[in-house]
Amino acid sequence: AQSVTQPDIHITVSEGASLELRCNYSYGATPYLFWYVQSPGQGLQLLLKYFSGDTLVQGIKGFEAEFKRSQSSFNLRKPSVHWSDAAEYFCAVLGGSYIPTFGRGTSLIVHP
Amino acid sequence: GAGVSQSPSNKVTEKGKDVELRCDPISGHTALYWYRQSLGQGLEFLIYFQGNSAPDKSGLPSDRFSAERTGGSVSTLTIQRTQQEDSAVYLCASSLEPGIGNTIYFGEGSWLTVV
Repeated sequence: AQSVTQPDIHITVSEGASLELRCNYSYGATPYLFWYVQSPGQGLQLLLKYFSGDTLVQGIKGFEAEFKRSQSSFNLRKPSVHWSDAAEYFCAVLGGSYIPTFGRGTSLIVHP
Repeated sequence: GAGVSQSPSNKVTEKGKDVELRCDPISGHTALYWYRQSLGQGLEFLIYFQGNSAPDKSGLPSDRFSAERTGGSVSTLTIQRTQQEDSAVYLCASSLEPGIGNTIYFGEGSWLTVV
C-alpha cells in the first residue's frame, strides 16, 4: 500500500522569504511523486513530478523538489515566496497502481 | 474543451435527495478519476475508469455512491439519499492512457452542500 504524510497543516511565511513544504511517503519501492497546488475555488494544478533520474526536480512557478530515498521524503521548496503563492499544496504518490494517493495538504499563508 | 469540465459548480440539496454530478474530461483522455475533498481533509479516491475496462470502485464509501462513464467520455457520479457527511467538493480528473509520463488534469470541482 502507498501513503503520504504532510506533517504541516498550515505554514506562514513572509513575502520574499524562502519556503519548504514537507512530504513523506510510504511505499515499498521507488514511487512516482507529485506536487499539486490548489488556489481558492480552483482545481489542482501540477507543479512538478518525479519519476526517475535526477533527484532534484524543477517545476513551474519557480518551485523545486528533492527526492530523498533515505528519508522517504519529497519536500517542495521555493527560494523567494510571492503573495500569489498563497494556496493549498498537495503531495501525491503513485506506487503499484494507476491511482495516486494524496496527502491532506498544507495551507500556505503569505504575509506582506 | 480545453480542460476538464464539471457541473454543477455548486449544488445545495436537502438530506435524503439524490444528486448527480457531471464530468466532461479532456478530449482523448481515456483515464478518468473521481476524488472527494472534505474540509480539512486531503483528496479521497472514489472511482477510476480506464477505457472500456471495468472501473475500480474500491474507493466508493457506501452503496449510495455510484458512477458511470458513457461512451468512454462523460462521467456521472450519483449520490443517492444524500447525508450531511456527503458535503464536500467532488473533483474529477482525467489523463491520457495511464502511464508514468502522463499528467493527471483536474477540473474545478463540484461543491456539494447537504442541508
